[in-house]
Amino acid sequence: EAAVTQSPRSKVAVTGGKVTLSCHQTNNHDYMYWYRQDTGHGLRLIHYSYVADSTEKGDIPDGYKASRPSQENFSLILELASLSQTAVYFCASSDDREEVFFGKGTRLTVV
Amino acid sequence: GQQVKQSSPSLTVQEGGISILNCDYENDMFDYFAWYKKYPDNSPTLLISVRSNVDKREDGRLTVFLNKSGKHFSLHITASQPEDTAVYLCAAGQGTGSKLSFGKGAKLTVSP
Repeated sequence: EAAVTQSPRSKVAVTGGKVTLSCHQTNNHDYMYWYRQDTGHGLRLIHYSYVADSTEKGDIPDGYKASRPSQENFSLILELASLSQTAVYFCASSDDREEVFFGKGTRLTVV
Repeated sequence: GQQVKQSSPSLTVQEGGISILNCDYENDMFDYFAWYKKYPDNSPTLLISVRSNVDKREDGRLTVFLNKSGKHFSLHITASQPEDTAVYLCAAGQGTGSKLSFGKGAKLTVSP
């Protein structure tokens, strides 16, 4: 079964600190994505990647960096965490057949 | 602005009734439309999807209707059951790959 694993599942970070969210997929998918979910906004695309060692900006990339060191791994990096980045973050993967498989999410609270 | 909109944030339906969830989109280039289901503290999972070359797709109790001229698609769930209670997210995309735009989600409650 397709699997996308996120770590950590929850995290409390200090304003101005660095946060790294990790994602690992065992689906052998080329495409990987980072979304954030806020109350009243649904899922919004932050960064995505079509191939290892390459990332693309999504709809809301400001304040975030992404890294895709291998096909299986995709990280989201907040260099200077801010209060406005408190949200639930979802990693996902897909192949070119369109169905997107999501991880269970990471609840990030910035204080 | 938001490219995919779900105008009704919540819906309550009696068990056995028909649940209808609606979604509007702005981008004429969207050619892929999907509905995802999400339980609390869990991952969204794909329920049903349709390409723009068809107006309707059925899968068991689920039917997606696509109205391209109105930039609107909907999900109908017949014989609604309490286990259908969840948040439903509509999504749309363009071309191959899955860089989807999602709606805000709608909470469906099916009461026994």
